[in-house]
Amino acid sequence: DAMVIQNPRYQVTQFGKPVTLSCSQTLNHNVMYWYQQKSSQAPKLLFHYYDKDFNNEADTPDNFQSRRPNTSFCFLDIRSPGLGDAAMYLCATSPWGGTHSNQPQHFGDGTRLSIL
Amino acid sequence: AQSVTQLGSHVSVSEGALVLLRCNYSSSVPPYLFWYVQYPNQGLQLLLKYTSAATLVKGINGFEAEFKKSETSFHLTKPSAHMSDAAEYFCAVSLTGNQFYFGTGTSLTVIP
Repeated sequence: DAMVIQNPRYQVTQFGKPVTLSCSQTLNHNVMYWYQQKSSQAPKLLFHYYDKDFNNEADTPDNFQSRRPNTSFCFLDIRSPGLGDAAMYLCATSPWGGTHSNQPQHFGDGTRLSIL
Repeated sequence: AQSVTQLGSHVSVSEGALVLLRCNYSSSVPPYLFWYVQYPNQGLQLLLKYTSAATLVKGINGFEAEFKKSETSFHLTKPSAHMSDAAEYFCAVSLTGNQFYFGTGTSLTVIP
């Protein structure tokens, strides 16, 4: 089945130690998203790619970076994680549907990040 | 600005009872609306979507939603709740450029 896969499902890192989360997709969608979701809250968009075109949300901290080396893979790098960065990180994909799209987003199961 | 409002952060129903989760949107253009479900420690799964083809939309797991332009609503319903329906539900609206705006979510508890 075509899907969005996030690895690892659970990640523990130390305060200030860089960490990378990965996402891969077999849907061949050209749009990929990274969300941060804290407990009992809605997902918050960090950034998204349309193909290789990177789009950063205005309030995404500089501590968060992303790479998309090809259509299938996208990475989230947290350069110096703080305690406030502990959260679920969700990757999603969608096909490009134009300037106002009716295309749903397809989500992976997320990576839960803990900071020691 | 386009957004969605979910009324009731927590809803409890008895098993077998009607499920009604509320979502209202504000939009200056015809909206594209979605309902997602999230089970603990999982990602979001699409339940259904409204794309203007029909006002009553049927989704997976027996859920449906009705788009009412006059009320700017897109409430989610299921005739008979099942224990497995206990989860977090998110309403979302599609913005320009393939971006979504999610509501704050409603946690559904099903009482046996």
